[in-house]
Amino acid sequence: RKEVEQDPGPFNVPEGATVAFNCTYSNSASQSFFWYRQDCRKEPKLLMSVYSSGNEDGRFTAQLNRASQYISLLIRDSKLSDSATYLCVVGNNDMRFGAGTRLTVKP
Amino acid sequence: NAGVMQNPRHLVRRRGQEARLRCSPMKGHSHVYWYRQLPEEGLKFMVYLQKENIIDESGMPKERFSAEFPKEGPSILRIQQVVRGDSAAYFCASSPVGGFSYEQYFGPGTRLTVT
Repeated sequence: RKEVEQDPGPFNVPEGATVAFNCTYSNSASQSFFWYRQDCRKEPKLLMSVYSSGNEDGRFTAQLNRASQYISLLIRDSKLSDSATYLCVVGNNDMRFGAGTRLTVKP
Repeated sequence: NAGVMQNPRHLVRRRGQEARLRCSPMKGHSHVYWYRQLPEEGLKFMVYLQKENIIDESGMPKERFSAEFPKEGPSILRIQQVVRGDSAAYFCASSPVGGFSYEQYFGPGTRLTVT
């Protein structure tokens, strides 16, 4: 079992749609959680940290469920510019990256 | 405030040559991390360094790979006697606080191609 697992997608959605990504992790001692986005052939960019209480940043909402060991990212009112690969990242003694979920938002 | 800088952006080496990848962290950051991303795969942690110290190299291949972060100058990831399987994107990240509980900021990467 991979340490961080994500649905690879691709998710193809129309503009304005709401889309949700899930990520599961295997190490129950993991302490930090992040979502990054990575555009094709570019570096990962931090989207948001994920806190136990959940957090929201504009159209983006992240949730953490420690008991079930999963993290989610919800994107509301999706834009064309949201098209990217979304990486789930879990930190403990090192940083473990999921392979990413590819999102394409279409007009 | 300049971000993380990496050079070269693209590097082509023949099998058996050496590759040197450089990374300058963001201003005020003293913690540097190197990652490798193979085509169509996720990022894999390689090594974590602080100035003049290797903190964690658990992700580094045991042979041919080395990293340093001298007191002055950029961090260097060195790959000796490159093989085709070393072809990948190598990303450097930095953070103001050490460890893996804090956000890391990535450079644009070096794409290494071994012919």
